[in-house]
Order: sequence, then C-alpha cells, then structure tokens
Amino acid sequence: AQSVTQLGSHVSVSEGALVLLRCNYSSSVPPYLFWYVQYPNQGLQLLLKYTSAATLVKGINGFEAEFKKSETSFHLTKPSAHMSDAAEYFCAVSGPTGNQFYFGTGTSLTVIP
Amino acid sequence: DTAVSQTPKYLVTQMGNDKSIKCEQNLGHDTMYWYKQDSKKFLKIMFSYNNKELIINETVPNRFSPKSPDKAHLNLHINSLELGDSAVYFCASSRGQGGPGELFFGEGSRLTVL
Repeated sequence: AQSVTQLGSHVSVSEGALVLLRCNYSSSVPPYLFWYVQYPNQGLQLLLKYTSAATLVKGINGFEAEFKKSETSFHLTKPSAHMSDAAEYFCAVSGPTGNQFYFGTGTSLTVIP
Repeated sequence: DTAVSQTPKYLVTQMGNDKSIKCEQNLGHDTMYWYKQDSKKFLKIMFSYNNKELIINETVPNRFSPKSPDKAHLNLHINSLELGDSAVYFCASSRGQGGPGELFFGEGSRLTVL
C-alpha cells in the first residue's frame, strides 16, 4: 500500500524567500512520486514527477524536488518565491501498476509581499 | 483543445434531486477517474475505470453511479442528492497500467446542494 503525508497544511513565505514544502511517503514497492499545484478555482496541474531516474527532479516554474529513499521524503523547493506561487500543493504517490494514485492532504502556500 | 473536459462547471440543486456530470478526455488514455475534493481541499478517489471496466470503487454511497460508454468518457450520476455531496468533483485520466504516467485533471465541477 502507498500513502503520502504532507507536513504543514499552511506555509507562509516572504516574496523572494525559499519555499520548502514537505512530503513523506510510505510504499512497499518503489514508488512513483508527484507534486501537483492547484490555483484557485482550477484543476490540478503537474509540477514534477519522480520515476526512478534522477533523484533530483526539476519541474515547471522553477520548482524542484529531491527523492531521498533513506528519509522516505520527496520535498518540494523553490529558491525564490513569487507572488504567483500562492496556491495549494499536493504530493501524490502511485505504485507500479500506474493506475492508482494517493494524494496527501495538501499544503496551502501563501506568499507575503 | 482541452485535454480533460468536464461539464457542467457549476451545479446548484436542491436536496433529493438527481444530477449528472460528464467527462471526456482526448489524450488517448486508458484509465479515467473521479475524485471528490471537499471544502478542506482533501482529494478522495471515488472511482477508476480502465478501458471501460471498473477497477477502483472506493467506499462511496451507491447513490453515485459512474458510467463509461467508451474509454474516452466517464460520466458520474448522483441520485437523491444530500447536503454532504456538496464538493468539487474532478475527472482525471492517465495512460493506465505500466506506469509512471501522471494524472491529467479536468477543471472540476462544483456541486452545491441546498
């Protein structure tokens, strides 16, 4: 069985500061891991995904995440927050069948000017 | 062209009514899903179909009935609507088995039950 835990349901950062959103996973098999972003009144959009290739994954809008097996983590970072980054962020895991996805509870990111 | 499209975007209805939400994907994917997002933004899988066959059916009241006429369409019909059904319902698709394809989401259908 797979699951993800997102620590911190709300994160606030100042514009220009580092963004760090935490995700820990649980999986009995090598996982595929994803970060999605949801802007207000929109659907979810893929930011990046880990598929057992490089452990450091670069995504859209300057985001990246590092897969750390020893820590069972897949934290999302961005060096410098922009006002347009304010959104809800979801971590997700899927197993090898590729058709079951499990989402974390989401982290709401606020960017303070 | 929108990859995953769902209609309507908004539904407002009275308790006890029946409503349907339609979803279509033009990505050629084999697997389609319905997710429910509540007011706290929690995303919960409801159903998943692979090539028109039901593969995931989470604990969902049987008032909810999905129908997949072909692999590009997955509709959701809800009978006898209740206040607790108010939520945003998202349709999604993925290429299916053999991962690691990601999910592609529609824009959501916001259901309000009065």
